[in-house]
Amino acid sequence: AAGVIQSPRHLIKEKRETATLKCYPIPRHDTVYWYQQGPGQDPQFLISFYEKMQSDKGSIPDRFSAQQFSDYHSELNMSSLELGDSALYFCASSQHGLISGNTIYFGEGSWLTVV
Amino acid sequence: GQQLNQSPQSMFIQEGEDVSMNCTSSSIFNTWLWYKQDPGEGPVLLIALYKAGELTSNGRLTAQFGITRKDSFLNISASIPSDVGIYFCAGRSQNSGGSNYKLTFGKGTLLTVNP
Repeated sequence: AAGVIQSPRHLIKEKRETATLKCYPIPRHDTVYWYQQGPGQDPQFLISFYEKMQSDKGSIPDRFSAQQFSDYHSELNMSSLELGDSALYFCASSQHGLISGNTIYFGEGSWLTVV
Repeated sequence: GQQLNQSPQSMFIQEGEDVSMNCTSSSIFNTWLWYKQDPGEGPVLLIALYKAGELTSNGRLTAQFGITRKDSFLNISASIPSDVGIYFCAGRSQNSGGSNYKLTFGKGTLLTVNP
């Protein structure tokens, strides 16, 4: 079965640079979520989108922005990168409107290293 | 904000033993999810629970949604070396508008299985 696809899997950026992560949800899933996980930490919610509209917002820095496109894929844009932004970034997706839509599936993550 | 207390933080067991971990919250959730995460990988969904009192099994795994909707446990029976990893509980609620809320994660339980 198709899963959540994230790209790139790894990227290295310098401080103050910009990075963009992409997420392709499971087919027919209309909701995407972005999470950030630091070493040894639990995933922290950043932001989510349902039907291309922002549906919830967590601890996303102002330097970060995200959007969901008409094909339901999403991009997380991170600017003015700081060393502390180094983390594993996960995208997850679900299908709204069904009880089973409460089930959220995660991608394999994108490793961002800021040097 | 919502917080989940997951325990134990870590467990060291012998192969073949059973293990139990649980999560409690001060908030009510309408969904409990249990994930397993290997290093550098995305959380993989193990079991999803949608109703208070629900008891669900997936192979050697059994999880229950507490009657109060504020807790859940996960049991693993007859552990094997490949059970090693970090297990996260995650809870989800809905806002008054019926939109799906983000997942709130526990801090994780690190499971080590000695062959």
